[in-house]
Amino acid sequence: GQQVMQIPQYQHVQEGEDFTTYCNSSTTLSNIQWYKQRPGGHPVFLIQLVKSGEVKKQKRLTFQFGEAKKNSSLHITATQTTDVGTYFCAGSSGYSTLTFGKGTMLLVSP
Amino acid sequence: GAVVSQHPSRVICKSGTSVKIECRSLDFQATTMFWYRQFPKQSLMLMATSNEGSKATYEQGVEKDKFLINHASLTLSTLTVTSAHPEDSSFYICSASPTGGVLGNQPQHFGDGTRLSIL
Repeated sequence: GQQVMQIPQYQHVQEGEDFTTYCNSSTTLSNIQWYKQRPGGHPVFLIQLVKSGEVKKQKRLTFQFGEAKKNSSLHITATQTTDVGTYFCAGSSGYSTLTFGKGTMLLVSP
Repeated sequence: GAVVSQHPSRVICKSGTSVKIECRSLDFQATTMFWYRQFPKQSLMLMATSNEGSKATYEQGVEKDKFLINHASLTLSTLTVTSAHPEDSSFYICSASPTGGVLGNQPQHFGDGTRLSIL
């Protein structure tokens, strides 16, 4: 079945440093979504990418979808303590359900 | 918009008890809802897809007789953990998206989750 791999599993940065998490799928995706889960909370939808090579920005967050639609990345510029949480990517191949990656836990020290 | 309410948020009960968890879409209709299980510091494991008016679709390895799902209306799905045991202790979370889109292509809106502890 479809697999979505996400790295790194965990990253600890100093406030102000950049952060990137990467997502790779075993199959071509129709779309990829990113979610953020704060400690003790539930996943919250951040963004959806559907086009090959698409790049979207949300303030300090930059999301990319690979040309082959099999990989994606989330980059945070100048992290803040409010960025703490686990970031999940989730992909689907057309009419299948979403498959979530294992997530990247981000810890930001002030 | 797109709010999903999940209740209860926490349950602590004795082994052998059955526990019902409710998932409601408050401001939209959802033909399909999803139930996940999440272990500490781990990813979301899809347990089953709840379909309004029909049987749920369970993922491989999930016991359908253990985890009963009912989706009786377009705004409510329930998950009942029957005869719960300590190994069933976990964080259970539901999600839904408005009816009408392509399955897997729509953003999911999650409930707050239910932390189940079986003594």
